[in-house]
Amino acid sequence: GAVVSQHPSWVICKSGTSVKIECRSLDFQATTMFWYRQFPKQSLMLMATSNEGSKATYEQGVEKDKFLINHASLTLSTLTVTSAHPEDSSFYICSALRDRYEQYFGPGTRLTVT
Amino acid sequence: AQRVTQPEKLLSVFKGAPVELKCNYSYSGSPELFWYVQYSRQRLQLLLRHISRESIKGFTADLNKGETSFHLKKPFAQEEDSAMYYCALHVKAGNEKLTFGTGTRLTIIP
Repeated sequence: GAVVSQHPSWVICKSGTSVKIECRSLDFQATTMFWYRQFPKQSLMLMATSNEGSKATYEQGVEKDKFLINHASLTLSTLTVTSAHPEDSSFYICSALRDRYEQYFGPGTRLTVT
Repeated sequence: AQRVTQPEKLLSVFKGAPVELKCNYSYSGSPELFWYVQYSRQRLQLLLRHISRESIKGFTADLNKGETSFHLKKPFAQEEDSAMYYCALHVKAGNEKLTFGTGTRLTIIP
């Protein structure tokens, strides 16, 4: 099956620092990956679409300078939360598009900013 | 703009009873709809898609364009069906993205 990994699974950082989260498709190539944010007991909210070799497409209301996305290869996309603040604490989930419609999800990364 | 509505946040059903998780959508184009499931401490995974017209783990979902619905059904609930269920609408608008509903937490009572 198609497997997507995320690293780290859990991270605590101090306010003002930056954190990088990796999303990898382990057994398939993905030209498109997605980054979601999930608040407790709420649904997934799409933050941005990551396209290999080009700039990410951000959803309305998502600060591109704060959430930097890089999709440098067909199996890796990274999300960097810059100058993190406590309100950025959340569960971040990535997915990779394998077929035209089918997204495979990573296990998520829990970010806590102190 | 597209929207997916799951009116029930919580749903409890006795084991062996029928299950129906409601999903309604709003989209001006031709919809592609999916159900995703998230079991406790596991990642989100695809349960079924309407274009496949398949039954997975006993679940089925029929797209009703007249009622703009894509309800998920199972005739006899099992304890392992307890999970969070999300209905999702695929939109091709430059990118292949999914719009998720707010989810329904299904609990099967033994």
